[in-house]
Amino acid sequence: GEDVEQSLFLSVREGDSSVINCTYTDSSSTYLYWYKQEPGAGLQLLTYIFSNMDMKQDQRLTVLLNKKDKHLSLRIADTQTGDSAIYFCAEMRFDKLSFGAGTTVTVRA
Amino acid sequence: DTGVSQNPRHKITKRGQNVTFRCDPISEHNRLYWYRQTLGQGPEFLTYFQNEAQLEKSRLLSDRFSAERPKGSFSTLEIQRTEQGDSAMYLCASSLAGENYGYTFGSGTRLTVV
Repeated sequence: GEDVEQSLFLSVREGDSSVINCTYTDSSSTYLYWYKQEPGAGLQLLTYIFSNMDMKQDQRLTVLLNKKDKHLSLRIADTQTGDSAIYFCAEMRFDKLSFGAGTTVTVRA
Repeated sequence: DTGVSQNPRHKITKRGQNVTFRCDPISEHNRLYWYRQTLGQGPEFLTYFQNEAQLEKSRLLSDRFSAERPKGSFSTLEIQRTEQGDSAMYLCASSLAGENYGYTFGSGTRLTVV
């Protein structure tokens, strides 16, 4: 199984904030990433964070990193229907990306 | 630059046939990765190249799978004697060694073995 763990599903009302959580196992991972995948498509890089940071904000996206607990979260403000997708957390381990199983986010009107 | 391009987008093949997929990375990227993704799972690493050298292969990659990147540009992934368990999305990605901005992924090739 994956070393990166995520909850599988999240349902959120349009306009609310979404929070997607992830735990990873390798404390030496230097970079952590969030990718988005829409149906039938490849993965789109949303944002990344360096391990010496605890927060990064990019427009509607906020990434929080708790390195002590190896916990990463992605907050999407003002969630829109176009945000419905699968979101993957990934860590850079041994020079390659390792992914979680993905969180399916469904935005309801 | 048009990003990472994968062909074909879809492939349906009969069990036992051989298939080959192609990936054209971003031209200035020297690293190229192949991943496999099955339904409900995240992408799993298969192999990667730096220029034309294949630097690592996953244990997942049985001897029926072979990948090449002969001139350090495009890459091919061949599966011989396909099995139903090979049905998956095969994703290619590229990056520049030493940069940590993540990989750029292609749209994938969906393989269905019947």
